[in-house]
Amino acid sequence: QKEVEQDPGPLSVPEGAIVSLNCTYSNSAFQYFMWYRQYSRKGPELLMYTYSSGNKEDGRFTAQVDKSSKYISLFIRDSQPSDSATYLCAMRSWGGATNKLIFGTGTLLAVQP
Amino acid sequence: DTGVSQDPRHKITKRGQNVTFRCDPISEHNRLYWYRQTLGQGPEFLTYFQNEAQLEKSRLLSDRFSAERPKGSFSTLEIQRTEQGDSAMYLCASSSRQKNYEQYFGPGTRLTVT
Repeated sequence: QKEVEQDPGPLSVPEGAIVSLNCTYSNSAFQYFMWYRQYSRKGPELLMYTYSSGNKEDGRFTAQVDKSSKYISLFIRDSQPSDSATYLCAMRSWGGATNKLIFGTGTLLAVQP
Repeated sequence: DTGVSQDPRHKITKRGQNVTFRCDPISEHNRLYWYRQTLGQGPEFLTYFQNEAQLEKSRLLSDRFSAERPKGSFSTLEIQRTEQGDSAMYLCASSSRQKNYEQYFGPGTRLTVT
């Protein structure tokens, strides 16, 4: 079983819809949670960065972390065609020597105009 | 503040050849990471530097792979005797304590081994 599970999609929504993207994880040591957006053949771009449980909002994006359920979510409001990309969740534990990230497989999102 | 840059962006090589990739991190970022991403998968950690010291290597990094970060600035990743299974996107990221060790990625180098 992978440490981080993410539905690969594809997920297709109409423009203006609210999008919900999710990941589950098994390692209770994870404390930092991130969402990256990756356009085709480009590097991942950091969207949201949260520590421990709770919500964080940035414009149309809201990240939620529920450590008790080992479940994280990214919500995109008023989705736009330009949001069409692969969304990767990533996480890491606190401390240690590396801060290496463990990624999900990514969810491919298509927002239809 | 320029982002992470990688060179080349694309590399096509024949099986058995050696290749070298370069990564220039965001200036003053003391941590530098290499990841590999294959089609339909998330990036997988390969190795990590803090300044010039290579502090961790994944078991994915076979003996044919070597990475350096002389003087704690840019880094190189070399693959010797390339195999078709090495075809992937090689991503570099950097981070700093001042930014909570958030990792910022470069555009990647896409390697195709024929």
